[in-house]
Amino acid sequence: GPKVLQIPSHQIIDMGQMVTLNCDPVSNHLYFYWYKQILGQQMEFLVNFYNGKVMEKSKLFKDQFSVERPDGSYFTLKIQPTALEDSAVYFCASSFGTGGFQDTQYFGPGTRLLVL
Amino acid sequence: QQKVQQSPESLSVPEGGMASLNCTSSDRNFQYFWWYRQHSGEGPKALMSIFSDGDKKEGRFTAHLNKASLHVSLHIRDSQPSDSALYFCAVSELDSGYNKLTFGKGTVLLVSP
Repeated sequence: GPKVLQIPSHQIIDMGQMVTLNCDPVSNHLYFYWYKQILGQQMEFLVNFYNGKVMEKSKLFKDQFSVERPDGSYFTLKIQPTALEDSAVYFCASSFGTGGFQDTQYFGPGTRLLVL
Repeated sequence: QQKVQQSPESLSVPEGGMASLNCTSSDRNFQYFWWYRQHSGEGPKALMSIFSDGDKKEGRFTAHLNKASLHVSLHIRDSQPSDSALYFCAVSELDSGYNKLTFGKGTVLLVSP
């Protein structure tokens, strides 16, 4: 089936540094998402992105977070500066259709981020 | 309070048995339910979605939705060891133009040979 790739799979970084998480979505998909999962908790929506713009973001999407997909390349989540509470698994997802509630999201395997 | 509650937290069934997983939404805005499955080291993969009252069957998987109680269940018939995974219930907000999923904490299913 369709595959979403995420690079790197693991990242360890010192607090205050910048980190960029990369997502290679399914090739013909138009909508892109980031979710955050803290150990032992449920996965939570961060942001969705369409046509070069953030369409919706949650309160977890702090000012230090930004997303972009320059020229159809990777869909990226950048955190600058990082904080201890940013340690989590970050999942990227993409979907093809309307972006509405019936649209199937395809998830990557996640990037495990540890902020020291 | 979590908007999506799943039970049980973990479940063990023998190979060939029936596994039943439960999910309840506490918000009437959340009425479109998804079941996702995640194997170790992989991302969640959509199994099926359900919006209408009643049953929806896809192969060995049957989802049952009761919209009045916002309760959905997933039944896996003839469970196989390869079904061992973490199962998430997720819901979409009906009035959201841009789909964001709200997830439960998941149920760990172990199917023993």
